[in-house]
Parts: sequence; structure tokens; C-alpha cells
Amino acid sequence: QKEVEQNSGPLSVPEGAIASLNCTYSDRVSQSFFWYRQYSGKSPELIMSIYSNGDKEDGRFTAQLNKASQYVSLLIRDSQPSDSATYLCAVISNGFSGGYNKLIFGAGTRLAVHP
Amino acid sequence: DGGITQSPKYLFRKEGQNVTLSCEQNLNHDAMYWYRQDPGQGLRLIYYSQIVNDFQKGDIAEGYSVSREKKESFPLTVTSAQKNPTAFYLCASSILSGNTGELFFGEGSRLTVL
Repeated sequence: QKEVEQNSGPLSVPEGAIASLNCTYSDRVSQSFFWYRQYSGKSPELIMSIYSNGDKEDGRFTAQLNKASQYVSLLIRDSQPSDSATYLCAVISNGFSGGYNKLIFGAGTRLAVHP
Repeated sequence: DGGITQSPKYLFRKEGQNVTLSCEQNLNHDAMYWYRQDPGQGLRLIYYSQIVNDFQKGDIAEGYSVSREKKESFPLTVTSAQKNPTAFYLCASSILSGNTGELFFGEGSRLTVL
């Protein structure tokens, strides 16, 4: 079973700090990685995608990918209480029936930003 | 506005009943998906469809059925054969020719078995 693992948290950070969310995956051939944000009781929303090793920045968010270590992370700078949510890591794994590349989700890390 | 509409938002079912969850999208996306989310667990794929009149089982298809008669619509039926149907159900869509990791989700349907 190809898996995506995340620490369930909660990860508690003070307002203004950097929140660091981590994710490891088991499928060595995975090429595409995603971070979704899910507020309590709501549906997930895509916030970042990354396909190459290194860093990708979008506003206060930075995604980091290290394929050799099978590790992807999300940094949130200047954390705000409105960032409090569950962050889902998702990885595309290949080779399923019908040529479909399935998106596998981790269970998510709950982030709590306190004033 | 383009998006995905799921209905109903909340649904209660008695044991032994079939229920159908509606999912409609006006994003002109080819691919549509149904996921189930349980507390503390990641999203698990129930069914997916890449094109009209075709769909494939996901990881947990037992006790569920779908149809894809129109590009815009992908309803999910939770049958009485599904032994533990209480969950949050999420419908999603994506551009088939693009990256299948970039999903757009509906607001979800929360099903409770009484």
C-alpha cells in the first residue's frame, strides 16, 4: 500500500511565528505533491502544488520537496489565527488500473495558531 | 460562479435504506471523484470517473454505486450493503488533461445513520 504520513498534531504556534508542517511518502516514483487546507466542517481547498525538488513560494506559504528523502513540507510564515485548520498532504501515485494516477491523501496535521 | 454543488448538506438515513447524494459541476471538468472522510483519517477514494458513461472503483467501493450519464453530474448512492456509512462525503472534479492532483471540492454531504 502506497502511503502518505503526517503527524496528526495539533501543532500549536503563536501568532506571527513560522508553522512547519511535514509529510513523508512511500512511493519513490511520485512526481507531484499537493497541500490542501481544510477548515473544520468544510471541504479541502488546494493551496500549494510542487513538482520539482527545492522550494516553491506563494505569499506566506512555502512548499519544500526532497524526493531523495521522500519528504515534502509546508512552511507558513507570519502565522495568523485564520491559518488554524487541518493541512492535508497529497501525493500522486502511478500505475493504477485504467492508467489513472491516483491522488493519495495523508490524514492531515491540525494547526492551531494562538494570539 | 463556477463550482461544484453537493446536496443535501446533511442527511439522515435509517438502517436498510439506500440514499443518493447529488454532485453537479459547471466547471466543464472531465474527471469527477467521490471521497469519504472519517474523523482522524485521510480522504479515501470511493469511485472516480474520467469521462461520461465510464467510472472506476476506488479503494472503498463496496456498498456504493455511481453513474455518469452527463458530464456535469456524478451522483453517489449509498446502499444498505454499506455497513458503516456514517461519514463526510466529498465530491471533487478536475481537468483530465491537467494534473489530477489539483482537485476542486464541493462543500460535502454529511450522512448519519440512525
